[in-house]
Amino acid sequence: QKEVEQNSGPLSVPEGAIASLNCTYSDRGSQSFFWYRQYSGKSPELIMFIYSNGDKEDGRFTAQLNKASQYVSLLIRDSQPSDSATYLCAVNWLVFGQGTRLTINP
Amino acid sequence: DGGITQSPKYLFRKEGQNVTLSCEQNLNHDAMYWYRQDPGQGLRLIYYSQIVNDFQKGDIAEGYSVSREKKESFPLTVTSAQKNPTAFYLCASREAGGYRGAEQFFGPGTRLTVL
Repeated sequence: QKEVEQNSGPLSVPEGAIASLNCTYSDRGSQSFFWYRQYSGKSPELIMFIYSNGDKEDGRFTAQLNKASQYVSLLIRDSQPSDSATYLCAVNWLVFGQGTRLTINP
Repeated sequence: DGGITQSPKYLFRKEGQNVTLSCEQNLNHDAMYWYRQDPGQGLRLIYYSQIVNDFQKGDIAEGYSVSREKKESFPLTVTSAQKNPTAFYLCASREAGGYRGAEQFFGPGTRLTVL
């Protein structure tokens, strides 16, 4: 069975610091990788997608993909209290990780 | 306004009943998905469809059924065979085809509770 693993947390980060979220996947043929943010009781919203090895930056967010290690990460710079949410890693629109709960402390 | 609608927002079911969750999109997307989310967990794929009149089982299809008679509609029926259906159900859609970064749009979800 294809799997996506995330550290469920909770991950606690001071305001203004860098939050680092990690995800590993089992299917070496996976092509598309997504990071979603989900607030409690709400539906997920897309933060970033990546499909090439390396880094992809969008504002305060950077996604990193290493296909050799089957590893994808999300960095959030200058963390804000509004970034407090659960972050879901998804592969090929079909398999999601269990999510990492992130708390930004003012 | 383009988007995905799900109804109802909350649904209560007695044991032994079948219930149908509605999902409609006006984004002209070919691909549609149903996921289940349990408290503190990620999303698990129930069914997906990439084209009208065709759909595939996901990881937890047992006890569920779907139809895709129209491009914009992908209803999910939770049957009495689903032993523990209390969960948050999410519908999503995206453009199909070869673009590897095609964004998946989610509906607001239906929270199903078995009484």
